[in-house]
Amino acid sequence: DAGVTQSPTHLIKTRGQQVTLRCSPKSGHDTVSWYQQALGQGPQFIFQYYEEEERQRGNFPDRFSGHQFPNYSSELNVNALLLGDSALYLCASSLVGVSYGYTFGSGTRLTVV
Amino acid sequence: AQSVTQLDSQVPVFEEAPVELRCNYSSSVSVYLFWYVQYPNQGLQLLLKYLSGSTLVKGINGFEAEFNKSQTSFHLRKPSVHISDTAEYFCAVSSSSGNTPLVFGKGTRLSVIA
Repeated sequence: DAGVTQSPTHLIKTRGQQVTLRCSPKSGHDTVSWYQQALGQGPQFIFQYYEEEERQRGNFPDRFSGHQFPNYSSELNVNALLLGDSALYLCASSLVGVSYGYTFGSGTRLTVV
Repeated sequence: AQSVTQLDSQVPVFEEAPVELRCNYSSSVSVYLFWYVQYPNQGLQLLLKYLSGSTLVKGINGFEAEFNKSQTSFHLRKPSVHISDTAEYFCAVSSSSGNTPLVFGKGTRLSVIA
């Protein structure tokens, strides 16, 4: 049974560019959450998707947007990249209403130059 | 809203010695508590979680944690560490009422010295 799959594992982008990160949830899970983990910091909640809608959002600017597809997979989009967006982006899947059952992917390492 | 404070950013310890990683949380509602481990260049792996019931929780790799409601703490312990325990450890909290996101501490870097 595959866990959470994220792609790509690494990528390098230039300031001002746009990036899309992808996440496939664990089988049986219907909710996807995205976290940003800057170097030396704990993960920070970006937003959560359920039934193809953004349900909760952390303190991140509108440059960060997302999408969830009918098969529960999700994308994280970041526009107008800044150097400070360099981080490990983690995807976590869960079942709606079960706030103790998160499964994390291995993350996408984004470097903005 | 919830918050987590991990009191030590780095903890060096000799192999086979005991270790305690400290975590305090703040919340106005009942909570679930978690400890995750992150090895270099990897995602987060759940070590253990407290949902309800016994305040002493046992997890994987010989780790355990004790929930102390009066002190709002959830410290992680292991009686004898191994070199392979060298990693970053994160304490996290979520509300027990609803699908709230996990709130993480800043992490504690455990370095096991041979």
